[in-house]
Amino acid sequence: DGGITQSPKYLFRKEGQNVTLSCEQNLNHDAMYWYRQDPGQGLRLIYYSQIVNDFQKGDIAEGYSVSREKKESFPLTVTSAQKNPTAFYLCASSIWQGHDNNQPQHFGDGTRLSIL
Amino acid sequence: AQSVAQPEDQVNVAEGNPLTVKCTYSVSGNPYLFWYVQYPNRGLQFLLKYITGDNLVKGSYGFEAEFNKSQTSFHLKKPSALVSDSALYFCAVRDRDNQGGKLIFGQGTELSVKP
Repeated sequence: DGGITQSPKYLFRKEGQNVTLSCEQNLNHDAMYWYRQDPGQGLRLIYYSQIVNDFQKGDIAEGYSVSREKKESFPLTVTSAQKNPTAFYLCASSIWQGHDNNQPQHFGDGTRLSIL
Repeated sequence: AQSVAQPEDQVNVAEGNPLTVKCTYSVSGNPYLFWYVQYPNRGLQFLLKYITGDNLVKGSYGFEAEFNKSQTSFHLKKPSALVSDSALYFCAVRDRDNQGGKLIFGQGTELSVKP
């Protein structure tokens, strides 16, 4: 079955440590996205990528980094510069139709990151 | 600035009664509008979208939504609620002129359906 796989489901970070969240999709989608979800705040966009080897900052990119070396994969690194990383992180993908894109995004089941 | 508002943090409905989850939006141009549902510790699932045409859009699990351009609203509705509909619902908007396909999400509405 096609879908988006996020791993791990739960992750703990120590002070000063970088951690990487995995996101893999087999939907053959060009566009991929990372969101952060905090209670009562909806979803906020961290980074997105429309094509391999290219990505753009979203609304809250500080303290995060990404790479897009393969179409299927879009890992997110939470760096030690992110002082409040405790949140639920969601990866999504979609067909990319250019500027007039009405395709929905498909989501993985998330990674819950906590501070030790 | 583009924004989406879901004015109710929580909606409580008795099983079998109709439900409405409200959403209003503000974008500079013509929007694409979406509804998603999230169950605990899961990702978001797509329910329905409005692109153009008929203002009443039908989606998954018996849900529908009504687009009202003059009121800039896109309320989610269901004629008869089920206990299994209890979840967190998100409205989202995409500005057609916005590169990157970025979605702007509301803060979510918790729907509770009691037997």
